[in-house]
Amino acid sequence: EIVLTQSPATLSLSPGERATLSCRASQSVDIYLAWYQQKPGQAPRLLIYDGSNRATGIPDRFSGRGSGTDFTLTISSLEPEDFAVYYCQQRGNRPPYTFGQGTKLEI
Amino acid sequence: QVHLVESGGGVVQPGRSLRLSCAASGFTFSNFGMHWVRQAPGKGLEWVALISYDVSYKDYADSVKGRFTISRDDSKNTLYLQMNSLRAEDTAVYYCAKDRRAYTYGFATANEDWGQGTLVIVSS
Repeated sequence: EIVLTQSPATLSLSPGERATLSCRASQSVDIYLAWYQQKPGQAPRLLIYDGSNRATGIPDRFSGRGSGTDFTLTISSLEPEDFAVYYCQQRGNRPPYTFGQGTKLEI
Repeated sequence: QVHLVESGGGVVQPGRSLRLSCAASGFTFSNFGMHWVRQAPGKGLEWVALISYDVSYKDYADSVKGRFTISRDDSKNTLYLQMNSLRAEDTAVYYCAKDRRAYTYGFATANEDWGQGTLVIVSS
């Protein structure tokens, strides 16, 4: 089973600042890593797939990069609605399609 | 517009069974792999199961293997999760989710659309 480790667990920033979230895989997942955003009481929302491709309707302040075992999600300038929990998920191998433990982005 | 609506959740005693459903609309259901993902109260996301678009491939998390069965009825555009021998640790919100790419077996894609979830509580 591939283990995904996200860091930091909590990130405290202010609107307008830049956020950098990390996801490290225990073995290579090629480029097949996705990022999701989840707000309280809501279902997750796909932000990034295949490591760096923005999903439909996702603002360009969200960007992803990485391959192999190290991936990064960057939010260039935080908006108030960006404060949420972010999860990475690997789809680069056979199941289980594990998620990271999440990073809480708080004001 | 893709729409996924889960149902069938509720309170059930340990050891009993429950079947969840996910009604899909707004896309050609039979062309897409589908997943169940769960989230225990206050915890992170846990992938549970997948079924490929052509039903030829199914797989499960170790935590549910042998107890849960994923299935689909393309004539009804509905995904199912049969949950047997339920345990307290199965308590969670269960989401169904659609793969982004058609004609896949789970690999090299992502979950683009999600339902709102249905809550399962396993308690005596």
